[in-house]
Amino acid sequence: AQSVTQLDSQVPVFEEAPVELRCNYSSSVSVYLFWYVQYPNQGLQLLLKYLSGSTLVKGINGFEAEFNKSQTSFHLRKPSVHISDTAEYFCAVSDPGNAGNMLTFGGGTRLMVKP
Amino acid sequence: NAGVTQTPKFRILKIGQSMTLQCTQDMNHNYMYWYRQDPGMGLKLIYYSVGAGITDKGEVPNGYNVSRSTTEDFPLRLELAAPSQTSVYFCASSPGGGLSSEQYFGPGTRLTVT
Repeated sequence: AQSVTQLDSQVPVFEEAPVELRCNYSSSVSVYLFWYVQYPNQGLQLLLKYLSGSTLVKGINGFEAEFNKSQTSFHLRKPSVHISDTAEYFCAVSDPGNAGNMLTFGGGTRLMVKP
Repeated sequence: NAGVTQTPKFRILKIGQSMTLQCTQDMNHNYMYWYRQDPGMGLKLIYYSVGAGITDKGEVPNGYNVSRSTTEDFPLRLELAAPSQTSVYFCASSPGGGLSSEQYFGPGTRLTVT
């Protein structure tokens, strides 16, 4: 079974600073990878996804992520964060062959942007 | 389109009571899912469905039941509520059929069992 590890449960950062949220997954076979964002008291929204092709994926709100197959990682980055980026971020992985297109989620990283 | 809608938004149950969490999607998605989210634990899959009349257990199905009589609706039933079922519940849907696995989430139901 797949597992996803988000190495940092909380990441405090000052506004306009760069940020990287780390994600590692367990499987070395083909996977689909996702980052979701959850704003307070809301559901999850898709930030970006990697299915195939270019290893650098750009998403909404200026976020991007890089797929590294050899390190089984999919770290999320933003060069300059805003207060409005304060939220919980979840990395998720899916095995393209699984019958239910199920996602396995990491434990989440709380990004706290300070003024 | 409303996307995925869930009712109620909040609910307090007493131990031993039962309730149904409602989930509806208007995107004609074949696949639907129920998750629970506990603090610091990410999302755990309770049940999923790949089409009307077909359901299967996820990672944490004990204490829950589901049904899928239509494409649009996927209710989650809690029988004999326990404090361990205090959580936030999310419903999601996905096109399925070998596509990208992207899931679309509802706003959640916050359930407290006391």
